[in-house]
Amino acid sequence: AQSVTQLDSHVSVSEGTPVLLRCNYSSSYSPSLFWYVQHPNKGLQLLLKYTSAATLVKGINGFEAEFKKSETSFHLTKPSAHMSDAAEYFCVVSDRAGFQKLVFGTGTRLLVSP
Amino acid sequence: EAEVAQSPRYKITEKSQAVAFWCDPISGHATLYWYRQILGQGPELLVQFQDESVVDDSQLPKDRFSAERLKGVDSTLKIQPAELGDSAMYLCATRGSHEQFFGPGTRLTVL
Repeated sequence: AQSVTQLDSHVSVSEGTPVLLRCNYSSSYSPSLFWYVQHPNKGLQLLLKYTSAATLVKGINGFEAEFKKSETSFHLTKPSAHMSDAAEYFCVVSDRAGFQKLVFGTGTRLLVSP
Repeated sequence: EAEVAQSPRYKITEKSQAVAFWCDPISGHATLYWYRQILGQGPELLVQFQDESVVDDSQLPKDRFSAERLKGVDSTLKIQPAELGDSAMYLCATRGSHEQFFGPGTRLTVL
């Protein structure tokens, strides 16, 4: 079965400093991996996705993630945090190619202070 | 930009009552999902439709939950009777070519 583990429930950064949200995955075959963001009272929005192409994936709003098979990791980064980045972030694995059933991590709440 | 619509956005009910949630998918999306998100956790799949057919309802508590998508377009999720533990956000999503698109959700509070 597929699963993801988000290593931090909360991450606090100052505006303008780098962001690192950590995610490890478990999969019996080559996974498809995603990061979604959820702002209060809004639906989940796809930030980026990895589907066995380039291991460094660039997403929206300056976020990127690197797929590391040897470490079974898919950490999300951003060079400089903005106040609007404050939200809940979910690392997600798909159970098979074709974006069928998604399995979500427990989420990481990103707090950005001025 | 097309969006997944859900209603109501908020629902408060007493335990043992019946509740229903509605989802209007993005036009042309054949695959529709209902997820439940308990506070502080990630969403968990309840049921998946392909057109009007259920393809996965293994995590749906069938003694009290039901879902339908009669014409393969909009969908309804029902709980009868509601229990305190059903308090959660219920999310609808539909699948495009490369990703799932989520609606804003219905937040259910059971008193």
